[in-house]
Amino acid sequence: AQSVTQLDSQVPVFEEAPVELRCNYSSSVSVYLFWYVQYPNQGLQLLLKYLSGSTLVESINGFEAEFNKSQTSFHLRKPSVHISDTAEYFCAVSPEGRDDKIIFGKGTRLHILP
Amino acid sequence: DTGVSQDPRHKITKRGQNVTFRCDPISEHNRLYWYRQTLGQGPEFLTYFQNEAQLEKSRLLSDRFSAERPKGSFSTLEIQRTEQGDSAMYLCASSPDYYNEQFFGPGTRLTVL
Repeated sequence: AQSVTQLDSQVPVFEEAPVELRCNYSSSVSVYLFWYVQYPNQGLQLLLKYLSGSTLVESINGFEAEFNKSQTSFHLRKPSVHISDTAEYFCAVSPEGRDDKIIFGKGTRLHILP
Repeated sequence: DTGVSQDPRHKITKRGQNVTFRCDPISEHNRLYWYRQTLGQGPEFLTYFQNEAQLEKSRLLSDRFSAERPKGSFSTLEIQRTEQGDSAMYLCASSPDYYNEQFFGPGTRLTVL
């Protein structure tokens, strides 16, 4: 079985400051890793995913995440946040090859302070 | 393509009543998923359809819950004899086969009084 731990339920950060949202996972098999984002009053949308290959993956809006197998982590980072990044971020995992079975973390709410 | 739609967006009901939610996936998406999300938690998997076949059900899905996808297009989730613990956001998602991304609808928020 797989599980996901998001250590921070809320992260406040000033606009234009860097941010890191932490995610650790547990699994006895190889995994795919995802970050989904939920903007206020909108549905969940995929931000980025790691399936294989380069351990550093990037999104189109400046976020990146690095898969660290030894530390079983997939932390999400952005060097400079914008007010529009205010959202809840969910880390998720699925067994490799089982994209139908996604396990989500509890989410981290990102508050951007002016 | 208008994305995944869910109806209603909000439902308030009294304990003991039955409720039914509808999900319309993105057209031609074979797979359809139902999740439940409570406050402070991430989405929890309930069930999954490949076309009209219900392939997997979570233990969270008690016998009061039933889901159907009769023609492999839209799906319904029915909760019978609702309880206050059923209050949650019910999310629907769809995907093509082996796409490694699920597309979520806006959810149906259920409040059981």
